[in-house]
Amino acid sequence: QKEVEQNSGPLSVPEGAIASLNCTYSDRGSQSFFWYRQYSGKSPELIMSIYSNGDKEDGRFTAQLNKASQYVSLLIRDSQPSDSATYLCAVNGPGGSYIPTFGRGTSLIVHP
Amino acid sequence: GAGVSQTPSNKVTEKGKYVELRCDPISGHTALYWYRQSLGQGPEFLIYFQGTGAADDSGLPNDRFFAVRPEGSVSTLKIQRTERGDSAVYLCASSLDGDTGELFFGEGSRLTVL
Repeated sequence: QKEVEQNSGPLSVPEGAIASLNCTYSDRGSQSFFWYRQYSGKSPELIMSIYSNGDKEDGRFTAQLNKASQYVSLLIRDSQPSDSATYLCAVNGPGGSYIPTFGRGTSLIVHP
Repeated sequence: GAGVSQTPSNKVTEKGKYVELRCDPISGHTALYWYRQSLGQGPEFLIYFQGTGAADDSGLPNDRFFAVRPEGSVSTLKIQRTERGDSAVYLCASSLDGDTGELFFGEGSRLTVL
């Protein structure tokens, strides 16, 4: 059974700081990795996807993947209060299974 | 439509009743997923459709849960003999072809079983 682990938080950072969100997964054969943002009372929204080892940058967001360590992270630079949300890590398995398994999410609070 | 549409947004029912939740995916998206989310938890997979067929229903918790997608577009999740433990937000998501795992979610249907 695939497992995706995240610290539930909350992670509290001051405005302008770098927020670092972490995720580990159990299935070594996993191939695709995603970060979703979920505001309170709203549905998840895809913000980043990453498929190969290394870093992928998109604006203030950087996703990092290390398959050997089964670890994926999301960095948010210049954090803003509007970034306050729950960040969900999701992982796809091998064998053509494109059904994401989600972690429980990490709550991020950016305070002014 | 512009996004994934789910109805009703809220449903309150009594234990033992039958419930239907509807999902209208993004036009042209062939892959459709149902998840449910309890407070403080991540979305939990229920069932995945590719076109009209249920490609993977391994997440359905028991035989009280059933879902259909007869014409490859709108899907209905059906729950028989509801129990208090079924209370959750039921999320529908669609994807262009199911080959990427990049999902677009609807706003969910919040089910409360009294």
